[in-house]
Parts: sequence; structure tokens; C-alpha cells
Amino acid sequence: EDKVVQSPLSLVVHEGDTVTLNCSYEVTNFRSLLWYKQEKKAPTFLFMLTSSGIEKKSGRLSSILDKKELFSILNITATQTGDSAVYLCAVVSGGSNYKLTFGKGTLLTVNP
Amino acid sequence: DADVTQTPRNRITKTGKRIMLECSQTKGHDRMYWYRQDPGLGLRLIYYSFDVKDINKGEISDGYSVSRQAQAKFSLSLESAIPNQTALYFCATSDPGFEQFFGPGTRLTVL
Repeated sequence: EDKVVQSPLSLVVHEGDTVTLNCSYEVTNFRSLLWYKQEKKAPTFLFMLTSSGIEKKSGRLSSILDKKELFSILNITATQTGDSAVYLCAVVSGGSNYKLTFGKGTLLTVNP
Repeated sequence: DADVTQTPRNRITKTGKRIMLECSQTKGHDRMYWYRQDPGLGLRLIYYSFDVKDINKGEISDGYSVSRQAQAKFSLSLESAIPNQTALYFCATSDPGFEQFFGPGTRLTVL
């Protein structure tokens, strides 16, 4: 059974802090790993990672994948209150009938 | 206009009632999905469809059924709703590039 585990489950920081969110996985026929941000609404796409060691970056957010150790991290530098959200990791696995398996998410709270 | 729409956005119903949640998309994607989200449990896949003639069960399909009426429409039915089906339901679409585009969600409460 495919498994995606995120840690920590929740995190409280102050504005300006740097945070690292973790996602580890055990799946059959890995295809890709995706990160989403979910505020009080639908998840919105952040990154898709397919190759090991190549950092994806968007502003203060960055992410990298390690396919040997089967994990990914999402870094947020200089956090702002607007970064408060649930961050979801999803792994794509399988062949032509691929599927996504989501982790339970990390609830990030950024206090002023 | 939103690319993925869901109706209704909120619904309160009673145990034993039949409920249908509808999803429409204008993105032209073949692949559509239904998820439910419960606090602390992330998103769990109920059913997915890779084209009009292809329907697949996800990890929690018991108690649910789906209908893919057209490329743009994918409906989720609860044949006889029960309280533990109270949750936030999301429809999503994707192209072969894996990224999923989510609808705004339907909050369902079963009393």
C-alpha cells in the first residue's frame, strides 16, 4: 500500500522564521511529488518535483526531492502571516492509470 | 469564471437520504477525481475517472458511487448518507502532467 508521511503535523513560528516541512514516501513506481498549499479553501499547486537534487524555487519557497532516500522538503524563508496554511504533499505513482496519494498535511501557523 | 465548479457548496441532510454532488470543469481535462477531506486526515481519494468510459475506485469508495456524464461532468452520489460521511468534498481535474486543479469544495453535513 502506498504511503506518504508528512512531518511535523503542526508547527507554530514567528514572522521572519525559516521553516522546513518534510514529506517521506513509500510507493510503487514513483512518478512525481507535488506540494500544495491549502488555506480555508481548495488546495493550490506549489511545486512538482520529478528529479532528485534539483531545487524548485518560487520567491521565499523552495523544495527539493531525494529519490534515493524517498523524501522531499519544503522550505519557507522569512515567513509571513500569509504563509499560515496547511501544506500538503502528494506522490504520483503507477503507470498510465497513475494515482495520487496525499499525506495528512502540515498545519503551519505564523504568528506576528 | 472558475475552471472547476462544484454544486452545492454546502449541504445539510439527514441519515438515509440520497445525495448527489456535482462537478463541472471547463479546462478540457480528461481526468477527474473526487476526494474527501477530514480534519487531520488529509485528502483521501474516493473515485477517479480517466475518461468518460473509465471509472476507478479510490481508497475509500464504499458508500459512494459516481457517474461521468460527459468529459466535463463528474458526479458523486451517496446512496444512503450516514453521519461519518460528514466531510469536505473536493472535485479535481488533471491533464497527463499530474498537476491537479481543485474545485472550491462542498461541505456536507449528515445529521
